Amino acid sequence: DAKTTQPNSMESNEEEPVHLPCNHSTISGTDYIHWYRQLPSQGPEYVIHGLTSNVNNRMASLAIAEDRKSSTLILHRATLRDAAVYYCIRARGGSNYKLTFGKGTLLTVNP
Amino acid sequence: GAVVSQHPSWVICKSGTSVKIECRSLDFQATTMFWYRQFPKQSLMLMATSNEGSKATYEQGVEKDKFLINHASLTLSTLTVTSAHPEDSSFYICSARERQGSAIGWQFFGPGTRLTVL
Repeated sequence: DAKTTQPNSMESNEEEPVHLPCNHSTISGTDYIHWYRQLPSQGPEYVIHGLTSNVNNRMASLAIAEDRKSSTLILHRATLRDAAVYYCIRARGGSNYKLTFGKGTLLTVNP
Repeated sequence: GAVVSQHPSWVICKSGTSVKIECRSLDFQATTMFWYRQFPKQSLMLMATSNEGSKATYEQGVEKDKFLINHASLTLSTLTVTSAHPEDSSFYICSARERQGSAIGWQFFGPGTRLTVL
């Protein structure tokens, strides 16, 4: 039970913004939202994580709904190298959390 | 970000033999390491969690006598697939987490090891 729901696939064009949605309607107050991505035949790569407030880093932005039941990963300008499977994972806070992967969203970026 | 390495990156072995996969955190101390398995076109499945100096905790359905995990130091964990069979062929991925006090720790993944059992 991955506890999050994501679209199976999305498509975008190069240099355009991409909004990847994630539904986590049963999230508890102590759960963090993590995003990882995985390129073919590679291990997952950390993208971003957050708890309540929106977060920004050099890779992406994470917008978390006020009720925390959903979130959106934003890639501001998609490149061909952003084509990957994106996983949205909720995990309890603290140092002993486990990352359980769902099916993720396969992002295709068109040149 | 921090670097986690795995060795070997791929291995082919005969049925019935044992295979050891190493996972190292190169620039941080990993108090907790994880082992995942991924079959083609499927998501990652957590196999076990290990804390340095302790026995690994296996997820339901994972045979601890078949998948031996050792986490002897803060930078090295090993997974040994004993008496491997063709159904054990998979992509094995390790992950390491750096403890940051009581705060959420960063978790990084290795590049994976492709195991093919003939």
